Amino acid sequence: RKEVEQDPGPFNVPEGATVAFNCTYSNSASQSFFWYRQDCRKEPKLLMSVYSSGNEDGRFTAQLNRASQYISLLIRDSKLSDSATYLCVVNLNAGNMLTFGGGTRLMVKP
Amino acid sequence: DAGVIQSPRHEVTEMGQEVTLRCKPISGHDYLFWYRQTMMRGLELLIYFNNNVPIDDSGMPEDRFSAKMPNASFSTLKIQPSEPRDSAVYFCASSVTLITDTQYFGPGTRLTVL
Repeated sequence: RKEVEQDPGPFNVPEGATVAFNCTYSNSASQSFFWYRQDCRKEPKLLMSVYSSGNEDGRFTAQLNRASQYISLLIRDSKLSDSATYLCVVNLNAGNMLTFGGGTRLMVKP
Repeated sequence: DAGVIQSPRHEVTEMGQEVTLRCKPISGHDYLFWYRQTMMRGLELLIYFNNNVPIDDSGMPEDRFSAKMPNASFSTLKIQPSEPRDSAVYFCASSVTLITDTQYFGPGTRLTVL
C-alpha cells in the first residue's frame, strides 16, 4: 500500500460541475495536510492547507477525516482554469518531512 | 522576492556525462529540498537540508547522485555519471519550517539523458 494514495484519474467534468477527490494516508499520527496544484509542465504550488475542522477558500473546500485516514478536496462550479493535477501532501511521521501523493488529474471541459 | 531559482531550465546530455543542477532558495528559508518527478514514480524527495546541513538523503537513488549546500543561498545536485533512466524533471523547493509551512518550488530543470 502506498503511504499517500490518490486516484490518478483523469476526472473529466463539464464546466460548472462539482467534483471531489479523496486521498488516503497510512499513518494515523500524521499532523500536517495540504493540497497542492500542479499545472502541466509547471511546478507544484500550494492550493490550501487542510485543518482538522475543515476549511473553505472560495469554491474549494478541504476536509480531514482522521478516523478513516483520508483528506478530501471539493471543487464547486468548476472552471476551465481548474484543469490541473491536484497533489495531496501529508507528513507521515511526527517531525518528518512531507510526502506527496501521486496526484489526481482533473480536466474541465466546456 | 524572486522565488526559488533553478538553473538550467533544460539540460540535454549524453549518457556518462556529469550533470550539475543549481538552486537558489528563497532568502530566510531554513529548509531546502530536492525532488525528482517522473510519470512513472511521481514526485520523489531525494534529499533535504536544514541550515545548509543535509538531514535526510535516503531518497538519493545511488552513489551517482550527490548534493551540496555550501551556503544559505546556493545548492547543487550532481549526477555523475548520468544514465538515461535519470531523465526527469528535478525540482528544488524551500520553506521556513519542515512540515507546517508552505514549500515553494522552483520552476524545475528538465533533464534528458540520451
